[in-house]
Amino acid sequence: AQRVTQPEKLLSVFKGAPVELKCNYSYSGSPELFWYVQYSRQRLQLLLRHISRESIKGFTADLNKGETSFHLKKPFAQEEDSAMYYCALLAGGTSYGKLTFGQGTILTVHP
Amino acid sequence: EAQVTQNPRYLITVTGKKLTVTCSQNMNHEYMSWYRQDPGLGLRQIYYSMNVEVTDKGDVPEGYKVSRKEKRNFPLILESPSPNQTSLYFCASSVWTGETQYFGPGTRLLVL
Repeated sequence: AQRVTQPEKLLSVFKGAPVELKCNYSYSGSPELFWYVQYSRQRLQLLLRHISRESIKGFTADLNKGETSFHLKKPFAQEEDSAMYYCALLAGGTSYGKLTFGQGTILTVHP
Repeated sequence: EAQVTQNPRYLITVTGKKLTVTCSQNMNHEYMSWYRQDPGLGLRQIYYSMNVEVTDKGDVPEGYKVSRKEKRNFPLILESPSPNQTSLYFCASSVWTGETQYFGPGTRLLVL
């Protein structure tokens, strides 16, 4: 069974500081991984996905298959980054389409 | 406007009274999915559908039913709701499986 773990429920940083939101996964196949974000009073939306290897709003995430991790990083946090962040894994094979989310991390960026 | 809509947005009901939460998208998306969001547990997938007449169980399907008779609609049915189904429910859709999901506004359900 696939599993996604976000070990930090809450994460606080100051504006301009680096931020890293951790995501670890357990999956026997080749995973597709995503980060979704929910800003206050807005709908959940995709932030980035590992196969596109792009940087969105200054965030990047690298898939590390050896450590089974997909940590989200930003070198200089901004107040508008404050939100709930979810890491998600899309299964393949016979379970293709099944999407498992982590527990979420609430990021607060202080001025 | 391209969007995912859910109805109702808020619902209070009693144990055992059947209810349906509707989900509709106007983007001609193939993939649709239902999630519940609970404090400390994050988002958990209930059911998903990769195409019309094709539905599969997510991580927490017990107590729920879905149907996908047409591409745009994906209703969530609780045949006999129980208090442990009190939650915030989200519907989402994407053009294909694995593509960007677009989420609905959420339905807050309270089962007494």
